[in-house]
Amino acid sequence: GAVVSQHPSWVICKSGTSVKIECRSLDFQATTMFWYRQFPKQSLMLMATSNEGSKATYEQGVEKDKFLINHASLTLSTLTVTSAHPEDSSFYICSAKETGGSFSEKLFFGSGTQLSVL
Amino acid sequence: GQNIDQPTEMTATEGAIVQINCTYQTSGFNGLFWYQQHAGEAPTFLSYNVLDGLEEKGRFSSFLSRSKGYSYLLLKELQMKDSASYLCAALDSNYQLIWGAGTKLIIKP
Repeated sequence: GAVVSQHPSWVICKSGTSVKIECRSLDFQATTMFWYRQFPKQSLMLMATSNEGSKATYEQGVEKDKFLINHASLTLSTLTVTSAHPEDSSFYICSAKETGGSFSEKLFFGSGTQLSVL
Repeated sequence: GQNIDQPTEMTATEGAIVQINCTYQTSGFNGLFWYQQHAGEAPTFLSYNVLDGLEEKGRFSSFLSRSKGYSYLLLKELQMKDSASYLCAALDSNYQLIWGAGTKLIIKP
């Protein structure tokens, strides 16, 4: 099956630093990728939808200047958490939708990144 | 507003059957998903229903009633490895996934 590689799996950083998370589709092209965050025992919260070659669409309440998303190629999207603070500590998950595919068949998730900000 | 409701936690015995319910209210509807998520891992796809009825896939089955805004996931012959959270998600008219908070399923020997 299709694989989405998300890196790093976990990261610990100091408050005020920036952290970059990569989401890569390994054997398919993904025009659209989604970034979620998930707090313990809570649902996935969509942060933004990124489309290759264009600006990401952010959900209401998500600061675009704090969570920078770049989707420069059909196989790679990155999320950069800038000036991270302890309240940004969370589990971040990406998903990629194969170009031309339906949600029911062609939506694949990365393995997630646990971010801890000290 | 859009909303997904599912129980927070359920407990079942190894070898038994459990049904996890999900009700949804969305702006339009383009299908309902069930995902399994183990702690600290990403969700994995279990099922997708867009038409009314029951879809069976091995030990897992999923049911949908569009008129009632209701779905359930049925797990048979429970195994210890089935201990996980089960997420219900509905696809709305804008093809946006609306996620439930998940049901934590605890399997006891």
